[in-house]
Amino acid sequence: ETGVTQTPRHLVMGMTNKKSLKCEQHLGHNAMYWYKQSAKKPLELMFVYSLEERVENNSVPSRFSPECPNSSHLFLHLHTLQPEDSALYLCASSQDVGNTEAFFGQGTRLTVV
Amino acid sequence: GIQVEQSPPDLILQEGANSTLRCNFSDSVNNLQWFHQNPWGQLINLFYIPSGTKQNGRLSATTVATERYSLLYISSSQTTDSGVYFCAVLYGAGSYQLTFGKGTKLSVIP
Repeated sequence: ETGVTQTPRHLVMGMTNKKSLKCEQHLGHNAMYWYKQSAKKPLELMFVYSLEERVENNSVPSRFSPECPNSSHLFLHLHTLQPEDSALYLCASSQDVGNTEAFFGQGTRLTVV
Repeated sequence: GIQVEQSPPDLILQEGANSTLRCNFSDSVNNLQWFHQNPWGQLINLFYIPSGTKQNGRLSATTVATERYSLLYISSSQTTDSGVYFCAVLYGAGSYQLTFGKGTKLSVIP
């Protein structure tokens, strides 16, 4: 395993479901990120973690809940989502926050029905 | 905040042709990356290039930080080059948010 790995690759969930997205990085990095890519919009930063501490929450609704149990793993817990939350969710990592190269996972394509 | 503009928005090339993609940004940046997003959604790192010129095979990139632009050159294009190319910048003291442009969608036809 190398780089940044995300699971699942595809997810379909109902508005009342609870699900989690998982991200794992094998690069020895200290910072991890969640980004959202909606159709026709630029990638948007959602959350940033540095050494397992959250350093940024970009006005993301509380139905998205991140968790970083250690510097190699990042989760995004989802509950009571809306159809407009359907998007590609991308995880990234970098050596440290700021001024270092970011590497992205393959993404989870989420559809909320 | 900073504005990142990419051009052209769409580009269709015959296989074997060369192309230049441009990224303009409205303020000084600490970091600039070029990515290729493949049809399955993955962002693949092409260059980490806050300034200067780098080359990797058929691809090369140049960032002129003082003039606030970066160029990505693709030579002898192949169908596997198809996808969306993004420029992303990091700016401001203590910043950790990459700001992405809207991308250039490249289609290489046989």
